Amino acid sequence: QKEVEQNSGPLSVPEGAIASLNCTYSDRGSQSFFWYRQYSGKSPELIMSIYSNGDKEDGRFTAQLNKASQYVSLLIRDSQPSDSATYLCAVNSWDTGNQFYFGTGTSLTVIP
Amino acid sequence: EAQVTQNPRYLITVTGKKLTVTCSQNMNHEYMSWYRQDPGLGLRQIYYSMNVEVTDKGDVPEGYKVSRKEKRNFPLILESPSPNQTSLYFCASSSIRNEQFFGPGTRLTVL
Repeated sequence: QKEVEQNSGPLSVPEGAIASLNCTYSDRGSQSFFWYRQYSGKSPELIMSIYSNGDKEDGRFTAQLNKASQYVSLLIRDSQPSDSATYLCAVNSWDTGNQFYFGTGTSLTVIP
Repeated sequence: EAQVTQNPRYLITVTGKKLTVTCSQNMNHEYMSWYRQDPGLGLRQIYYSMNVEVTDKGDVPEGYKVSRKEKRNFPLILESPSPNQTSLYFCASSSIRNEQFFGPGTRLTVL
């Protein structure tokens, strides 16, 4: 059973701070890594994708991937109350039929 | 507008009454997938399809069927629904880089 693990939270940060979300995965063959944001009652929305080791930045978001440690993280700089949501980590491996595995999500609250 | 649509959005049914949840995408994506989301269990993949007439089981396929006769459509069929299939269901399609776009969700209650 391939596993993706996230701290469920809740994680609370003050407005303007950096929020750090973490994810570990069990399948060393995983090749694609994604962060989704899900507001309560809504569908998941893609924030970032990352495919190679290192950092990838997009606006206030930075994804970090370390395949050796089987670890992927998401940093949100200058956190805003509108960032309050559940963040889902997902991994994917083409080798095993292109299945996706999601973590259970981390709930983030940004306090004004 | 690029989108994934699902119907119905809400459905209350009774045990054993066959139902179909439709999913359609207008992005010409080859990959489509169905998930169920349950509290504490997260999103779990039910079935996926990498192209027309090609479908594969995900992690929780029992009790579900799918078909992919056209590229844009990927219906989910529950031939004999049971209460343990009460859940929030999402359809998704993905680009060549596997970035998935989700439909709005279907909240299913089986009594």
